[in-house]
Amino acid sequence: EVHLVESGGGLVQPGGSLRLSCAASGFDFSNSWMHWVRQAPGKGLVWVSYVNSDESATSYADSVRGRFSISRDNAKNTVYLQMSSLRAEDTAVYYCVRDISYSFNVWGQGTTVTVSS
Amino acid sequence: QSALTQPPSASGSPGQSVTISCTGTSSDVAAYNYVSWYQQHPGKAPKVMIYDVSRRPSGVPDRFSGSKSGNTASLTVSGLQAEDEADYYCTSYAGSNNWVFGGGTKLTVL
Repeated sequence: EVHLVESGGGLVQPGGSLRLSCAASGFDFSNSWMHWVRQAPGKGLVWVSYVNSDESATSYADSVRGRFSISRDNAKNTVYLQMSSLRAEDTAVYYCVRDISYSFNVWGQGTTVTVSS
Repeated sequence: QSALTQPPSASGSPGQSVTISCTGTSSDVAAYNYVSWYQQHPGKAPKVMIYDVSRRPSGVPDRFSGSKSGNTASLTVSGLQAEDEADYYCTSYAGSNNWVFGGGTKLTVL
């Protein structure tokens, strides 16, 4: 069965850093594109970042570019999101998602990030 | 990276059909056949219902269908059932490894 399990969320002060992890199982992770998508409380879904199968290509939403960094370890079937210079508006549930045909095909359960003093 | 435009709400009675629109631009919806739709129940992770404009993943009822004309995509839910009540989001590939979501539509089954 296909599974994505996020971890690493929590409470962090403005300006702080956090690294999210997403452990994948049940599919060919090393040949899969991966994304992070977030959802602020009571708000809609927002695409955050993308990484291709061998990390040769990455991309970011304008709102996080320069502050967030996506990476992956295919040996560990894990994708990461390093977040720095965090702001209150980064408060959200962060979902790890597997891409199939440019769609967000498989979703994790999400991990909550709260940026507050 | 402007969000796609969806109506904030839609509704229908059980058994009826409802269509939710998703309007983008010549740079996203019109440019690529990579529009997808997601269903999200409260407190749950989203679930893909339609991808590649009109393809249904296995397990998604054929009551759900998708289409596109120009810069507007649509999701139609036929034979509405109580369990279809949820938030629905569209998304489109926007080129250069960028994706954009719609603001979401709350579907109410009356």
